[in-house]
Amino acid sequence: QVQLQQSGPGLVKPSQTLSLTCAISGDSISSNSAAWNWIRESPSRGLEWLGRTYYRSKWYNDYAVSVKSRITINPDTSKNQFSLLLNSVTPEDTAIYYCVRGPAAFDIWGQGTMVTVSS
Amino acid sequence: EIVLTQSPGTLSLSPGERATLSCRASQSVSSYLAWYQQRPGQAPRLLIYGASSGATGIPDRFSGSGSGTDFTLTISRLEPEDFAVYYCQQYSNSLTFGGGTKVEIK
Repeated sequence: QVQLQQSGPGLVKPSQTLSLTCAISGDSISSNSAAWNWIRESPSRGLEWLGRTYYRSKWYNDYAVSVKSRITINPDTSKNQFSLLLNSVTPEDTAIYYCVRGPAAFDIWGQGTMVTVSS
Repeated sequence: EIVLTQSPGTLSLSPGERATLSCRASQSVSSYLAWYQQRPGQAPRLLIYGASSGATGIPDRFSGSGSGTDFTLTISRLEPEDFAVYYCQQYSNSLTFGGGTKVEIK
């Protein structure tokens, strides 16, 4: 069955870059029917979709307006995984981050990573 | 941005009772709406997509209805494991979630 395994640090200093990786098993990052998303959850903002990467003869990315200037999602076909980079973080970026399979309704979720932004 | 408003915020019911949860969109999302269940300490789980289609492995006591701006998730008979938080999500225009409804034991 399809599984997503997240990795990355749980503590990031303010102004630095949050970096998480999601390894895919049981599916391909280059699938023509899937999209690979990052979603976060916090008490103040609830569930918030951040962005996605997907392959449809070429690679595409879509990002939420709220983070568009700070976010990059990269596919890594050699390792069948994708990553999240969120720069210039502040305490408001403290949340549980999930990698999730789409493209529209989200059927497979990673285990979640609690990321705290603090000095 | 399409805003999804869920009601009520909390629903207090007993096992075996019927639960009716509402999700209203700020503009039409056609049938591009999904429902999720989230238990404490777990990631959300997809229940319903396309407003009324059950996801793989979801018990048939869960059903969804509606289109346009008004949607309903119904749990026909609450089981102990159904007490959780439920979210709606639209994928008509970008992707946004509602604020959730907590179903608690009365």
